[in-house]
Amino acid sequence: DAGVIQSPRHEVTEMGQEVTLRCKPISGHNSLFWYRQTMMRGLELLIYFNNNVPIDDSGMPEDRFSAKMPNASFSTLKIQPSEPRDSAVYFCASSWDLGGRYDNEQFFGPGTRLTVL
Amino acid sequence: GDSVTQMEGPVTLSEEAFLTINCTYTATGYPSLFWYVQYPGEGLQLLLKATKADDKGSNKGFEATYRKETTSFHLEKGSVQVSDSAVYFCALSDPGSNYQLIWGAGTKLIIKP
Repeated sequence: DAGVIQSPRHEVTEMGQEVTLRCKPISGHNSLFWYRQTMMRGLELLIYFNNNVPIDDSGMPEDRFSAKMPNASFSTLKIQPSEPRDSAVYFCASSWDLGGRYDNEQFFGPGTRLTVL
Repeated sequence: GDSVTQMEGPVTLSEEAFLTINCTYTATGYPSLFWYVQYPGEGLQLLLKATKADDKGSNKGFEATYRKETTSFHLEKGSVQVSDSAVYFCALSDPGSNYQLIWGAGTKLIIKP
């Protein structure tokens, strides 16, 4: 079975450009999480969805960041405009959750390494 | 609010040494506790978990016991291998965190042959 798929794996862009990261969760999973990982701040939860609905976006750093989940098999994280401090590895994870709990095993994708010059 | 504190890394050990990575937590309710592992260049994956006090989670030779009295969930392994080199994350979830995972900072483990 395919795991969580993320694209691109690496992205290098210039400051001010729009960046779109993509994620395909594991089929049948109903929760999707976007994380950011940096050396300075560690692993940060940006936003998560359940049944395609955003549940908590309090971790989104600012209005330059937006995330969508138009259907159960696809999600995007967009940064517009991008800044050098957005450089990080962005992970998508999915899980099967019920009853308002979001702590079942999360399956992580391989990540997208973003470099903003 | 809820929080997880892990020992700072990197932790460097020789092959076949005994491993302990400390994890303590603060939670408003009765949390579930988790260890995830991140191998170089990969995403995180669940290593083990425990959902109530005195439970022991185990997997791949790693163990951790849920200690409510000391609010701890230390990760142990009797004999580490070079292939165990990775970053280990402790995490919790409970009603106080709306069952989201609250993550520790991660501890990098380096095993030398």
